[in-house]
Amino acid sequence: AQSVSQHNHHVILSEAASLELGCNYSYGGTVNLFWYVQYPGQHLQLLLKYFSGDPLVKGIKGFEAEFIKSKFSFNLRKPSVQWSDTAEYFCAVTWTAGNKLTFGGGTRVLVKP
Amino acid sequence: NAGVTQTPKFQVLKTGQSMTLQCAQDMNHNSMYWYRQDPGMGLRLIYYSASEGTTDKGEVPNGYNVSRLNKREFSLRLESAAPSQTSVYFCASSEGRGGWNTEAFFGQGTRLTVV
Repeated sequence: AQSVSQHNHHVILSEAASLELGCNYSYGGTVNLFWYVQYPGQHLQLLLKYFSGDPLVKGIKGFEAEFIKSKFSFNLRKPSVQWSDTAEYFCAVTWTAGNKLTFGGGTRVLVKP
Repeated sequence: NAGVTQTPKFQVLKTGQSMTLQCAQDMNHNSMYWYRQDPGMGLRLIYYSASEGTTDKGEVPNGYNVSRLNKREFSLRLESAAPSQTSVYFCASSEGRGGWNTEAFFGQGTRLTVV
């Protein structure tokens, strides 16, 4: 079965530190890739997406992600985090062969002021 | 613009009771989804509907049924609730059939507790 892995379950950072969250997915052909964020008590919101083209994708709130096809990875980065980035982050993938959006297990990020 | 609306927001059920979670979207999206969110397990797909008139099982369909009533509405039914179904349930929709080349929009979630 196709799967999505997020290797860090919890990350604790101080403000202004850099953030990188890993995401790997299983082989299954062409993919669409997403990062969603869930702030405490809220629903999921899209941070950024990759469908095709430039593998370096910029999203909202200063986030970016890089698609590395050879590594089946789509890692999320932010150069300098803020306290307001405290949230849970989910990587998600849709494969061409499937009809559904599959999520990773999520990474809880705590930014200390 | 309401987006994806789920009802109810909170529910407590006794083991064996039944209930239906309602979801409606006003974006004319083709695909709709039901996920459950459990700590450390991310979002797991229960059922999805790639287009009006079709439904398919996701990763964890046991104990649930769904109905794609029309293009707007996609309900999730628990026929006989079990404590293992205590979770937060999210409905989502996307424009593309099966979510391809489109992002998903999520409802606010339903927090269900089965005692």
